[in-house]
Amino acid sequence: GNSVTQMEGPVTLSEEAFLTINCTYTATGYPSLFWYVQYPGEGLQLLLKATKADDKGSNKGFEATYRKETTSFHLEKGSVQVSDSAVYFCALSDHSQGAQKLVFGQGTRLTINP
Amino acid sequence: ETGVTQTPRHLVMGMTNKKSLKCEQHLGHNAMYWYKQSAKKPLELMFVYNFKEQTENNSVPSRFSPECPNSSHLFLHLHTLQPEDSALYLCASSQDLFSGGPQDTQYFGPGTRLTVL
Repeated sequence: GNSVTQMEGPVTLSEEAFLTINCTYTATGYPSLFWYVQYPGEGLQLLLKATKADDKGSNKGFEATYRKETTSFHLEKGSVQVSDSAVYFCALSDHSQGAQKLVFGQGTRLTINP
Repeated sequence: ETGVTQTPRHLVMGMTNKKSLKCEQHLGHNAMYWYKQSAKKPLELMFVYNFKEQTENNSVPSRFSPECPNSSHLFLHLHTLQPEDSALYLCASSQDLFSGGPQDTQYFGPGTRLTVL
């Protein structure tokens, strides 16, 4: 079946550090890939997405590139801020069975210290 | 603001109470979802509706009863819950279940934090 694996958390960094959160997936067909972010006390917000191989999604300084050859969609940011502290979820949406369904990774908690 | 609202934001209930969670989306979508987010588990899909018809029940106990009267509203009726049902309940919507490409994004509400005593 389809699945998403994220790097284990929690991740703690200092402000202005470089961030990478790894995400790999297993899927039949050609899924769309997403990163969602959940700030404390809130629901999930779409951070960025990519719908086909080699697409790069970007938003708020975050980037992720859809790599079909390595089945990966790693999240990166060049210089993190305290306000980036949140839980980040990688997900895929696969239509190979007809109806689309989102499959989420387990989430990675990120804490940025001043 | 994602265009999906949920009420109440917080709910405390006893095991014998009956309560309902409400979700409303203002995005013109036709698919709606209920998810459960517990402290130590991955996000769990509970129910899916497409054009008001339930298309998925992910082995959810019958003490949770969904209702979708129209494409904009989704309810989750709760009765005789257990303490282990305490969690954040998230509602989401998307264009519909069969749109692909740019239209398959799900938009989430802020959630209802449920505590069962």
